[in-house]
Amino acid sequence: ETGVTQSPTHLIKTRGQQVTLRCSSQSGHNTVSWYQQALGQGPQFIFQYYREEENGRGNFPPRFSGLQFPNYSSELNVNALELDDSALYLCASSVRDREFGYTFGSGTRLTVV
Amino acid sequence: GQQVMQIPQYQHVQEGEDFTTYCNSSTTLSNIQWYKQRPGGHPVFLIQLVKSGEVKKQKRLTFQFGEAKKNSSLHITATQTTDVGTYFCAGRSNFGNQKLTFGTGTRLTIIP
Repeated sequence: ETGVTQSPTHLIKTRGQQVTLRCSSQSGHNTVSWYQQALGQGPQFIFQYYREEENGRGNFPPRFSGLQFPNYSSELNVNALELDDSALYLCASSVRDREFGYTFGSGTRLTVV
Repeated sequence: GQQVMQIPQYQHVQEGEDFTTYCNSSTTLSNIQWYKQRPGGHPVFLIQLVKSGEVKKQKRLTFQFGEAKKNSSLHITATQTTDVGTYFCAGRSNFGNQKLTFGTGTRLTIIP
């Protein structure tokens, strides 16, 4: 079975720009969660998508938005980038209501300059 | 909101020594999961605990869920260099949505 794939692996953007990060779920998983991990910190929950709808959101402003597609892949969009948005963005897939852990992708390292 | 804290933040041990990290949640949890993140890597799922007082073992790793379902611990016996990394607990609130809240992590380094 394939794991979780994220693209791109690295990205450099300028403050004020917009960015789209992509994630392909593990086969058989129907739920995608996005996390932001700053250097030396634990992953912070951004939001989760299930059946193409947002299903829970963390303390992130509306300029963080997402999509889930019928094949369960997902996008994370961030508008009006700020320097503090520099972080590792992790996508994790899972099966809703199943009691097992998340499968994480390798992440996208975003640097805002 | 729900907060999950871990202590210690850092731990340096000689190879062969034991290691323990403790996880405490501000709210009761429906379950707790543990992940390991190697330097430069991504979190990898280790185990999930669901029942109050549950203890699970994976070779040299022992995981425990507190009776009140608000705390947990991970103990590694006789550490090896392959144990290097940051260990995160992550919990799901009884009263919340599907959100999995990660702890602050404990970074383990091994002195050969």
